[in-house]
Formats: sequence, structure tokens, C-alpha cells
Amino acid sequence: KAGVTQTPRYLIKTRGQQVTLSCSPISGHRSVSWYQQTPGQGLQFLFEYFSETQRNKGNFPGRFSGRQFSNSRSEMNVSTLELGDSALYLCASSLAGAWQETQYFGPGTRLLVL
Amino acid sequence: ILNVEQSPQSLHVQEGDSTNFTCSFPSSNFYALHWYRWETAKSPEALFVMTLNGDEKKKGRISATLNTKEGYSYLYIKGSQPEDSATYLCAMNTGNQFYFGTGTSLTVIP
Repeated sequence: KAGVTQTPRYLIKTRGQQVTLSCSPISGHRSVSWYQQTPGQGLQFLFEYFSETQRNKGNFPGRFSGRQFSNSRSEMNVSTLELGDSALYLCASSLAGAWQETQYFGPGTRLLVL
Repeated sequence: ILNVEQSPQSLHVQEGDSTNFTCSFPSSNFYALHWYRWETAKSPEALFVMTLNGDEKKKGRISATLNTKEGYSYLYIKGSQPEDSATYLCAMNTGNQFYFGTGTSLTVIP
């Protein structure tokens, strides 16, 4: 079974631009969660999508948004990029997003904002 | 904001040594505790999911215990090998989201 894939793997943008990251979950998984990791910080939860609906949201500004398609693929968008948005963005998928389910992570997208 | 803490932050051990790390979390709103291993340039890999007070899980030389009443989990590695070198993350699930610790970085010296 193919794992979770994320594209692109690396990205350089400038302040004020916007960016879209993509995540393809494991086949059959309907829950996709997004995380941000910045130096010195643990993984911070952004949001979770299940069946094309945002089900849970972390404590991030509205510049961070996402969506999920009918095939469970998910995209994350960051508008008006700031220097502090430079980070590793990880997505994780699971069957239904239940709290006791194992999450499977993708390799991440490393975003650098100049 | 919920605080999950891991200690130590980093650890260097000799090959063959046994070691353990701690994950501390608030007992309220606890649903599950997940452990992950994250090797450099790879994706985090799930190790254990634990839900009940007193749970013990084992996978090869790695085991974990859970105390939900006092809010901690221990991860043990017996007879460390160089391939065990990685960052070990714990994450608490509150029913609707995960809160991750900052990890313990383990280096096993051959």
C-alpha cells in the first residue's frame, strides 16, 4: 500500500505571497490532519478534515486554510505569507480520525519564506 | 493551550545500553497517548497507542507504559542499537486533536 505523499517537498516563497500544499492520504483513509513544525517547537496541530469537512481546528490565524476533496486528498493554503511561516508542514492520515487510531505521516513540505 | 513535556531533550548512550524517556501530560481531557519515532529525513513512524491507565505495550526491544492518573508515560529501549538513533515524540489526544511534545533526541554511539 502506498504511503502518505506530500507535494511539493520544498518550496521557497517571499513575504506576502500565498502557497498551496498538497497531501494524498493512504488509500481508504478518510481523515487528513495537518501540522506545522518550527525550530524548537513540537508539532502544532493546524486542522483535520474528514469526508470533505473540517472537523477540528487548532489555534492558527485565518490565513491558514484547507480543504479536502472527494478522493480524500487534501490541500492546505497559507495566504499573505510571513517570515514566521517558514516551517516543515506535515500531513497525516488515518481511517476515520478516531483518537485511538494510528496516524500515518507524510514526508512533509519544507517551506522557506524570504 | 495544553502542555505535553518530554525529558530529557537529548540523550547520548553507548550501544548496548538500556535507556528510557518520559512524557508528561495533563490528566484532564485525556483520551489516548501516542508514541512516534522520527528518523532524520524520514516521516514520523507510529510506535504505540495507549489508552488505559496501566497500559503496557511492547515492540521488540522497545516498550512503553502509561499512567493516566498522574499524567506520564515512559518509553524504554533495551540494548540500544545505532539504528535506534532518532527523535522520539509523544502526543496526547484529547478527543479532537493531538498535542505533541518537543521530543527526545536519542543518539546511540557504536
